[in-house]
Amino acid sequence: QVQLVQSGSELKKPGASVKLSCKASGYTFTDYAINWVRQAPGQGLEWMGWISTNTGDPTYAQGFTGPFVFSLDTSVSTAYLQISSLKAEDTAVYYCARIYYDLKYYHMDVWGKGTTVTVSS
Amino acid sequence: QSALTQPASVSGSPGQSITISCTGTNRDVGTYNPVSWYRHHPGEAPKLILYEGTKRPSGVSDRFSGSNSGNTASLTISGLQAEDEADYYCCSYTTSSTWVFGGGTKLTVL
Repeated sequence: QVQLVQSGSELKKPGASVKLSCKASGYTFTDYAINWVRQAPGQGLEWMGWISTNTGDPTYAQGFTGPFVFSLDTSVSTAYLQISSLKAEDTAVYYCARIYYDLKYYHMDVWGKGTTVTVSS
Repeated sequence: QSALTQPASVSGSPGQSITISCTGTNRDVGTYNPVSWYRHHPGEAPKLILYEGTKRPSGVSDRFSGSNSGNTASLTISGLQAEDEADYYCCSYTTSSTWVFGGGTKLTVL
């Protein structure tokens, strides 16, 4: 079945880096772009940006440039989110979601279960 | 891009109906791209329950319905069940080719 499987929880110290993965299965990876979404503790869902799985071109939301980098490895149908110079404020659950586009409208139809990143000294 | 406006919480008894509103602007909710709605149980993946404002994905109960009026979209859940207790988010693809979520609504089934 169509699914996105995300990597396991991470515990990092401030200043470190982390690379999260989102592996797609059950469909052609390059047919659908990927959104990244963050949920900080006690907060709602926040769009971080998206990456085209065709071209590899990323688009970052305001506030998610710099330390945040989206990338792909299409040979293994996997999208990555790398966060560098981690701060306590980066503690959150990070979700990937498939963008469905039918040449007219957009929505996110498949989500990963999320990866919890905890930044603590 | 400001978050779409949703009530922070709603509640209802089993069997009742509730409606969650999602208000934005003519750059998002009021545009050509209708909102989608997601149900989120903490610790689980968010689940798509409505797309294009009113359409249900395969497998989603017909107790979930949606509507749109101008810059406001609404999600109605009828015949409330205990399993409906969750956080609900609306989301819009905007005219700036960005995405914006509502702040989320916590549904409590009494």
